Amino acid sequence: AQSVTQLGSHVSVSEGALVLLRCNYSSSVPPYLFWYVQYPNQGLQLLLKYTTGATLVKGINGFEAEFKKSETSFHLTKPSAHMSDAAEYFCAVSDGGMNTGFQKLVFGTGTRLLVSP
Amino acid sequence: DAGVTQSPTHLIKTRGQQVTLRCSPKSGHDTVSWYQQALGQGPQFIFQYYEEEERQRGNFPDRFSGHQFPNYSSELNVNALLLGDSALYLCASSLRQWGGQGWTGELFFGEGSRLTVL
Repeated sequence: AQSVTQLGSHVSVSEGALVLLRCNYSSSVPPYLFWYVQYPNQGLQLLLKYTTGATLVKGINGFEAEFKKSETSFHLTKPSAHMSDAAEYFCAVSDGGMNTGFQKLVFGTGTRLLVSP
Repeated sequence: DAGVTQSPTHLIKTRGQQVTLRCSPKSGHDTVSWYQQALGQGPQFIFQYYEEEERQRGNFPDRFSGHQFPNYSSELNVNALLLGDSALYLCASSLRQWGGQGWTGELFFGEGSRLTVL
């Protein structure tokens, strides 16, 4: 079965500092990988996704992630944090690759990003 | 263009009761998926509906059932509520399409229905 591990339930950075949120996955099939963001009292919003092709994926709001098969990782980064980036971030893997596609996802437990002035 | 809408936003039930949650998908979408998000956890896949049929199901008991209507809206029903059913229930819609290497169609999530079971 597919699984996702997010290291660090909380990450604190200063405004303008690098953001690095870690995600490692386990998948028996070629994975589809996703990062979602959840603001308080809101649903999840897709930041970026990896399916095939280029391993460096760019998303919205200046975020990007790199798929590293050898390390089974899909870490999320942003060069310079903004106060508005404070939220919960979830890494997810498609539970079944191409057979189940984008809809049946296995999520990690989330990382709360705190941004201080 | 309205996104995914869910109702009710909050509700409180007691153990043993039954609950129905509703979801209207984003315009143009034909597939609805339901997720349960317990406090401090990531969402867990419950099931997916397409063409009014349950297509995929996660590891949830039969107490959890659903329905999709001809207008693509959906309901999630939970019977015999347990304390452990307290959670945020998220509906996500998508357009089911074959992308050559798999079923694509980005998930768009609603804001959820927060269920508290006392």
